[in-house]
Amino acid sequence: AQRVTQPEKLLSVFKGAPVELKCNYSYSGSPELFWYVQYSRQRLQLLLRHISRESIKGFTADLNKGETSFHLKKPFAQEEDSAMYYCALSGPRGSTLGRLYFGRGTQLTVWP
Amino acid sequence: SAVISQKPSRDICQRGTSLTIQCQVDSQVTMMFWYRQQPGQSLTLIATANQGSEATYESGFVIDKFPISRPNLTFSTLTVSNMSPEDSSIYLCSVEGMNEQFFGPGTRLTVL
Repeated sequence: AQRVTQPEKLLSVFKGAPVELKCNYSYSGSPELFWYVQYSRQRLQLLLRHISRESIKGFTADLNKGETSFHLKKPFAQEEDSAMYYCALSGPRGSTLGRLYFGRGTQLTVWP
Repeated sequence: SAVISQKPSRDICQRGTSLTIQCQVDSQVTMMFWYRQQPGQSLTLIATANQGSEATYESGFVIDKFPISRPNLTFSTLTVSNMSPEDSSIYLCSVEGMNEQFFGPGTRLTVL
């Protein structure tokens, strides 16, 4: 069965410190992995996806198929990074992405 | 990107009543999704709504409780019927486009 696990409900770091938000998944196949972010009073939005292998706002995430992980990392956290982060997966890309399976989310707080 | 609006943004309802949530998209889309986010929980897919066909419901969700309409390619409604306090959640509309899913601002429902 599909499952996305984010073990940390809350994560606090100081400004300038490295941050890593953990995400593990289970899926019988080759999923697509995403990180979504929700800033205070804003709607949920895509941060990055593994297939693009991109860095957005200094964040990167590498898909580790052996460990079935897709951890989100940033070397130097900023106060504006404070938000709720959701890891999500969908099935292999065909003509559409289809439904997303979400983790429970990690609330990141970056202290000044 | 797709811009999604939802009405109402929030509501407080009495148990036993029903509420219809509207989702409007600024472009034509094939697939629309309805998610629920209960307090402290992750996003859970309720159903997928394609224009011109019956909605497909996820396990644990039934049409009698959550009837969905999809009259055209830019609009959908979700009704929460015979509400109980357990239905208190944020309900989110989502559409797919440009290799990602876009989310509406959500409808915060409180059932007394």
